[in-house]
Amino acid sequence: NAGVTQTPKFRVLKTGQSMTLLCAQDMNHEYMYWYRQDPGMGLRLIHYSVGEGTTAKGEVPDGYNVSRLKKQNFLLGLESAAPSQTSVYFCAIKRGAETQYFGPGTRLLVL
Amino acid sequence: DQQVKQNSPSLSVQEGRISILNCDYTNSMFDYFLWYKKYPAEGPTFLISISSIKDKNEDGRFTVFLNKSAKHLSLHIVPSQPGDSAVYFCAAKDGGSNYKLTFGKGTLLTVNP
Repeated sequence: NAGVTQTPKFRVLKTGQSMTLLCAQDMNHEYMYWYRQDPGMGLRLIHYSVGEGTTAKGEVPDGYNVSRLKKQNFLLGLESAAPSQTSVYFCAIKRGAETQYFGPGTRLLVL
Repeated sequence: DQQVKQNSPSLSVQEGRISILNCDYTNSMFDYFLWYKKYPAEGPTFLISISSIKDKNEDGRFTVFLNKSAKHLSLHIVPSQPGDSAVYFCAAKDGGSNYKLTFGKGTLLTVNP
């Protein structure tokens, strides 16, 4: 998975609970991304970062926060989880001019 | 509005035959296109790409064709193999952004032995 790891692999949350998903890369890539994948919806961009200390909103940012304190790590936070956030979350890095490479994913179930 | 469309949710082909996956786009500013393959419980894997200045790119069994006037691209897999069974996503990059991709909803390809 292009040197991209995601923690945890699977998590069950109750509505209202909070959690943080970690994406780590073992190279020095500037750009990192968080996507969610839902059935019939493809991949939708939540937030992204173009470098350490920077973050920006993507297509579906509501209900999520992110931080990029260290270049290697991109964290996705859910402050108060909702059932609508049940999804598979993928982190990606950009390598080269245009191509993104994805991590293995985190499956999240919010009850 | 959906800027990248994969109108076929699924496609079934026989092993050894050609698989053709289609993708249409609406944004004329897209200048780079990519195809990803995704197996269940894994992350998407980059497959092949094409710049808008080209109309064809080939890599082994995989060929991507781009028709800019029709805003249409297609992925050809020849010959298809059972291991090609996966969801295929089309993605596009806006020329005004060097770091964001827009994805289609995906097409599930099933290659039958």
